[in-house]
Amino acid sequence: GAVVSQHPSRVICKSGTSVKIECRSLDFQATTMFWYRQFPKQSLMLMATSNEGSKATYEQGVEKDKFLINHASLTLSTLTVTSAHPEDSSFYICSARKNRVRIDTQYFGPGTRLTVL
Amino acid sequence: KQEVTQIPAALSVPEGENLVLNCSFTDSAIYNLQWFRQDPGKGLTSLLLIQSSQREQTSGRLNASLDKSSGRSTLYIAASQPGDSATYLCAGGETNQAGTALIFGKGTTLSVSS
Repeated sequence: GAVVSQHPSRVICKSGTSVKIECRSLDFQATTMFWYRQFPKQSLMLMATSNEGSKATYEQGVEKDKFLINHASLTLSTLTVTSAHPEDSSFYICSARKNRVRIDTQYFGPGTRLTVL
Repeated sequence: KQEVTQIPAALSVPEGENLVLNCSFTDSAIYNLQWFRQDPGKGLTSLLLIQSSQREQTSGRLNASLDKSSGRSTLYIAASQPGDSATYLCAGGETNQAGTALIFGKGTTLSVSS
């Protein structure tokens, strides 16, 4: 159990377009979901934390108007990269936690490779 | 601000060797320490989770230890196999404005040759 999926796995888009990435917990309800980005040879950087039904909390330096996060249900969170630019090209990974208890582990999705031309 | 460092950045060993991956963190106020495996272009697989009150966790050929006082964790892999080749990430769990966060190191890329 505890499977997290992401869609799409890979996306290539033109500069200026918006891209939506979906993160789903397939066999459990996720009260909290996290979005990370990872540049080549770098560590995962937390972008934002979203609790179901609440606005996302963004990490310092992450533009909330550029990276729109919606966590409308207990099994789905979406990340929309608005007006994407080449510097937004990265590997985006989501994770989900079953409850709000901090000691609970996070289950990670397979990631989405975004390339902005 | 919590910083997590992993040494070495890369490691190559022959099959069968025992090896140790190191992780250090600057803030001892972590509530857990996790080790993950990441294959190229893939997501993360959780390997071991050590709560702040624990000293170590074991799963098969893997053993992870946690020493909060020194700010260190190690991942021991026994009898390494080519299938163990991957990047290993450690992450410290800490409290932030959103509640909790995982702070990741850059990883150690392991290559096991047959």
